[in-house]
Amino acid sequence: DTGVSQDPRHKITKRGQNVTFRCDPISEHNRLYWYRQTLGQGPEFLTYFQNEAQLEKSRLLSDRFSAERPKGSFSTLEIQRTEQGDSAMYLCASSLVNQPQHFGDGTRLSIL
Amino acid sequence: QQQVKQSPQSLIVQKGGISIINCAYENTAFDYFPWYQQFPGKGPALLIAIRPDVSEKKEGRFTISFNKSAKQFSLHIMDSQPGDSATYFCAASMWAGAQKLVFGQGTRLTINP
Repeated sequence: DTGVSQDPRHKITKRGQNVTFRCDPISEHNRLYWYRQTLGQGPEFLTYFQNEAQLEKSRLLSDRFSAERPKGSFSTLEIQRTEQGDSAMYLCASSLVNQPQHFGDGTRLSIL
Repeated sequence: QQQVKQSPQSLIVQKGGISIINCAYENTAFDYFPWYQQFPGKGPALLIAIRPDVSEKKEGRFTISFNKSAKQFSLHIMDSQPGDSATYFCAASMWAGAQKLVFGQGTRLTINP
């Protein structure tokens, strides 16, 4: 049973560029969540999917952010026109409905 | 109403001692309260979780105490070991964890040998 896998682990980009992160959940987990964690803070919820349906989006998820889970398996999170404030760890978690969420090790984004 | 407040921000405990971290919440609709442990460069890992129908849950050296009327819950780590040195987050959720987790600010725990 492999855990939640996130790729890449680190991403360095220039301000204004677009970036895309991938999350592969635990097999058969139908719920997939995205969180953002800044240094010294707890993770903050961004959005979540049940299968391919996006059920909730946080106000933190501006229109520069888009997430997809096209076939109900892996998910991508894209940030367009990156800004300095987007620098953070982006965490993905997955679960079965009404079961605990299991987190990946995240993608650390640094904006130059 | 969505906040979860965690204290202390940092904690130093001697090896073999008891580590205690506290959390308070406001939203009475929360019904699932997990604790996560996070090491540098890693994602949060679930330690233990509790529902409001019990006042205490114990798993090995880790115990959650829950006070529904005070809207508070705490993590106790007995016989603390240097390997327990990590950042701990409390969290809360509605619908038995099926919805988003709201996290506390974290406690950086250091266990001195």
